[in-house]
Amino acid sequence: QSALTQPASVSGSPGQSITISCTGTSSDVGSYNLVSWYQQYPGKAPKLLISEGTKRPSGVSARFSGSKSGNTASLTISGLQAEDEADYYCCSYAGSSTFDLYVFGTGTKVTVL
Amino acid sequence: QVQLVQSGAEVKKPGASVKVSCKASGYTFTNNDINWVRQATGQGLEWMGWMNPNSGNTGYAQKFQGRVTMTRNTSISTAYMELGSLGSEDTALYYCARGGWELLLWGQGTLVTVSS
Repeated sequence: QSALTQPASVSGSPGQSITISCTGTSSDVGSYNLVSWYQQYPGKAPKLLISEGTKRPSGVSARFSGSKSGNTASLTISGLQAEDEADYYCCSYAGSSTFDLYVFGTGTKVTVL
Repeated sequence: QVQLVQSGAEVKKPGASVKVSCKASGYTFTNNDINWVRQATGQGLEWMGWMNPNSGNTGYAQKFQGRVTMTRNTSISTAYMELGSLGSEDTALYYCARGGWELLLWGQGTLVTVSS
C-alpha cells in the first residue's frame, strides 16, 4: 500500500486561504468517506482536525474544513494564522481486505509568510 | 484525565527486539481500538497496526508482518507493541493512538533508537 500523495509544502499570507490535497486511489480515498486530517507541531503528537472527510471534533476551529472529490481529499485552512504553521497529514481507511487498514499521506509543511 | 501514557525511550542493538507500552486512563480501555503509528526523524507518519483491546484481535501493516506483535493487559489498561529484528531503519518515535479512522487521543510517543 503506497502512501497518499500530498504536496511537500504550501504557503500563504495571514488571512488567506490555502488548500492541501491528498491523492490516493480508488482502493482507499476513492472508496470510503473515511479520510482524517492531522496537524503536528515539531516535537508534538499529531492532533486530529477532521474525521470522516468533513467532520470537525469538538474544539477544532471552524477555519479548518475537509472535502473530497474522487480519489482526492482536501483540507482547507481559511483565515490563515501564524499558529497554523505546522505539518499536516491525511490518513485514509483502505479496507479490511488488505493488511494495511489505514494509510497516511506524505505530509505537507504549511508556512505562514 | 483521559490520556495515553507511553513507556520511556529505548536504545537497542541491531537484531534485538523492543516492547513499548501504552497505558490508558480516564476512559474504558476496552471500548476503543489502539493503533500504533511511527515517525522517523524528519519523516512522515507510518501506520503499523491496530488492536482491539476487548477481543485482542489485531491487524498489522504488510511491512511489519512477522516482525510486530500487539498485545494488551486489560487488568492494567495497557497496550503493548513489540517489534523484533530491529534495524537502523527502525529508529523512530513510536506513538499509540486511540480510535480507528479517527485517532483522537495520542500518547506522547516513545523514541526507539537502534544503534550498535
